[in-house]
Amino acid sequence: DSGVTQTPKHLITATGQRVTLRCSPRSGDLSVYWYQQSLDQGLQFLIQYYNGEERAKGNILERFSAQQFPDLHSELNLSSLELGDSALYFCASSVATGGTSGIQETQYFGPGTRLLVL
Amino acid sequence: LAKTTQPISMDSYEGQEVNITCSHNNIATNDYITWYQQFPSQGPRFIIQGYKTKVTNEVASLFIPADRKSSTLSLPRVSLSDTAVYYCLVGARSNDYKLSFGAGTTVTVRA
Repeated sequence: DSGVTQTPKHLITATGQRVTLRCSPRSGDLSVYWYQQSLDQGLQFLIQYYNGEERAKGNILERFSAQQFPDLHSELNLSSLELGDSALYFCASSVATGGTSGIQETQYFGPGTRLLVL
Repeated sequence: LAKTTQPISMDSYEGQEVNITCSHNNIATNDYITWYQQFPSQGPRFIIQGYKTKVTNEVASLFIPADRKSSTLSLPRVSLSDTAVYYCLVGARSNDYKLSFGAGTTVTVRA
């Protein structure tokens, strides 16, 4: 158990609909990341939030948006859903790890939300 | 963000040692090297992280040569439960950090 929780575990919806995925990071982690993993594809980074502010953006569609709330939980909103949006959506949170030559954040992933768009 | 190259797949047998090499020719001075493991339908799990030379933990070892242009993840005495996708990532400072997982290496362990 990574300490990161995601709800719901499964979601089935129809094309054109809008859904919201929720993530609660590990206690004390300020960064939240969202990833999409389609069938037989690698993890695609979507977006990162740090302490409520957007930190980095990846291959996130304009139909998708996210936010991080004051209690540090995050939501990923997917709208105008298409069949191709069917995928596993992972949330991760991180804590900075110190090192002698810089800082790299180890990410702890949640169990994911499996979205099926029919 | 440093680009990484690793084999698409590797096969092994129970009890053998598995070594996965990742190339990262344009690694920056402040970059660390991190490996993750992912089982089907689960989120990736941190395995090991290093900067130079050798790092060992209870799960794996990470060998990094002096030029740091590659790294090798070593899994000792694998079992069937080690069948998974292994990702090599190279990342920089936390204020400019985007993870790029790539396709990873699918390791299949057979009995």
